[in-house]
Formats: sequence, structure tokens, C-alpha cells
Amino acid sequence: KQEVTQIPAALSVPEGENLVLNCSFTDSAIYNLQWFRQDPGKGLTSLLLIQSSQREQTSGRLNASLDKSSGRSTLYIAASQPGDSATYLCAAPSGSARQLTFGSGTQLTVLP
Amino acid sequence: DTGVSQNPRHKITKRGQNVTFRCDPISEHNRLYWYRQTLGQGPEFLTYFQNEAQLEKSRLLSDRFSAERPKGSFSTLEIQRTEQGDSAMYLCASSLGPGHTFGSGTRLTVV
Repeated sequence: KQEVTQIPAALSVPEGENLVLNCSFTDSAIYNLQWFRQDPGKGLTSLLLIQSSQREQTSGRLNASLDKSSGRSTLYIAASQPGDSATYLCAAPSGSARQLTFGSGTQLTVLP
Repeated sequence: DTGVSQNPRHKITKRGQNVTFRCDPISEHNRLYWYRQTLGQGPEFLTYFQNEAQLEKSRLLSDRFSAERPKGSFSTLEIQRTEQGDSAMYLCASSLGPGHTFGSGTRLTVV
């Protein structure tokens, strides 16, 4: 059974700082890994999808890496802004339905 | 295409009442998923449809829960005899290939 863990649970940084969010998973036989952003009381917005054949994926100030052998993924946010404040969730598909198994998220606060 | 649409956005109901939520997926997506999210946790899988067939159900989906996807288009999730423990955000997602696209969710409060 796939288990996904995210560390830290919460993070507070000053504006402009570069930061790294961590995600680990127990079953390395994954097809891909997806990072999401969730604002309070809202749904999930997909940020990046990394296929199992890729090691990195970039979108603007975001860069996600995937290391299947170690069961880890990281989300790197460059030059953080107050608008980046949100909960960040990683998820890996499992099962015949390829349903997503989520971590509990990292709640990020970027202070102006 | 306006993405995945969920209605209503919020629902407050009394314990013991039945509620129904609707999800309209992205039109060309054949896969549709329902998840439930409680405060401070990541979403948990409830059930999965491929076209109109419900192919997977989580153990979280008790007998009081039922989901349908007639004609493989929109989907409904019904909860009968609601309990306070059903209070959560109910999220719908759809996909065609890798990756999920989520709706904005329905927040259910059982009082």
C-alpha cells in the first residue's frame, strides 16, 4: 500500500527566500508524481506532473525533482512571494484505478 | 472548457438528512474520481469511474454513500442519513491520461 509523507508540516519564510518542500513515498513503482497547491477552503490546483522517466520538471519559479530509487520528490520554489502562501500537496498514483495517494501537505507562509 | 465543476460549493445539513453533490468533469475525460478531505489532511480516495462504470470503491465508502455516473458524463455522490463525521470537503477529479484535474470541491457541514 502506497504511503506518502511530507516534511515539514508547516514552514514560514521571509519573502525572497528560496525553499525546498519534501515528499517521500514507500512504493517506488509509480508512473508519475504530481504536486498541487491548495488555498484555504479551495480545491486543488495542479502545479507540476513528473513522469517516472523524468528526473525534473520546471514551471516558472517552481522546479520538481523525482528520485524513484530513494522514494523522494522535492519541490523547489525560487524567490518566494507572499502569494505563494498556501498548502502544497504531493500525490502518487496507485492501484488499478491509479487513484492518488496524498501526503498531509506542507503549509507554507511567506512573510512580506 | 471550464475545467471540473462541482455543485454546490457549500452545503449545511442536519444530521440524518440525505445530501447529493454533482460533478461535471472535463468533457473528454473518461476517468472520474471522488475524494474526501478533512481539515489538515490530504484528500482520501473514495471511488473511481471509467466512463459510466464504477470500477473501484474505497473501504471509506460506507453503505450510506452511493455514486453514479450515468452515460459517462456528470457524476453524483449521495450520502444518506448524514452523520457529523461526514463533515468534510468532497473533491471530484477527472483525467484522460496521467495526472488529475480537480474541481473546487463541495464543503459539507453536518449539524
